Amino acid sequence: DAKTTQPPSMDCAEGRAANLPCNHSTISGNEYVYWYRQIHSQGPQYIIHGLKNNETNEMASLIITEDRKSSTLILPHATLRDTAVYYCIVFSNSGYALNFGKGTSLLVTP
Amino acid sequence: KAGVTQTPRYLIKTRGQQVTLSCSPISGHRSVSWYQQTPGQGLQFLFEYFSETQRNKGNFPGRFSGRQFSNSRSEMNVSTLELGDSALYLCASSLVVGAENEQFFGPGTRLTVL
Repeated sequence: DAKTTQPPSMDCAEGRAANLPCNHSTISGNEYVYWYRQIHSQGPQYIIHGLKNNETNEMASLIITEDRKSSTLILPHATLRDTAVYYCIVFSNSGYALNFGKGTSLLVTP
Repeated sequence: KAGVTQTPRYLIKTRGQQVTLSCSPISGHRSVSWYQQTPGQGLQFLFEYFSETQRNKGNFPGRFSGRQFSNSRSEMNVSTLELGDSALYLCASSLVVGAENEQFFGPGTRLTVL
């Protein structure tokens, strides 16, 4: 199964861009990269997902390298409410999560 | 549009008992997946259902079972509970099968086994 590696923690100043990296070097050609965040053991909140192209929505941007071995989630203007644990997850083509590691704990400071 | 709902939100059981958890997907979604989340193991895949059929199953013992109804609602059952079954159980729904479709998680059911 594809494995993901994320830094355990990161800090970001409020109003600045938060760039969260993820390594998924064993991802297969038809597996998707999803990003979620989780606050206080609530259910994971969907942020964005992609296969090979960069994606952008109202919450964030997802940059996937050309070889698909890594990706970066960008929160363009971080707010205090963005403080959470962010998970990079590889989903099978069928649509279930293959790997869900320990994520990155992002702390946004004033 | 209402999100994925799970009931109950919290549950306390004792070893040897059984438990049934329920998941109602987002209206119109027909695919439901179940996961177990623990601090030590992270999130692990249990099962995936679509149109009342189990399409994929994770590496869990037979004590863990599930089903999906014609209205896409799903239940999972754990029999002969063990202390190690204490976890947050999450379900996720999507419109149809396939990872290109957004997968939305519910708030989870926190099960504590004493």
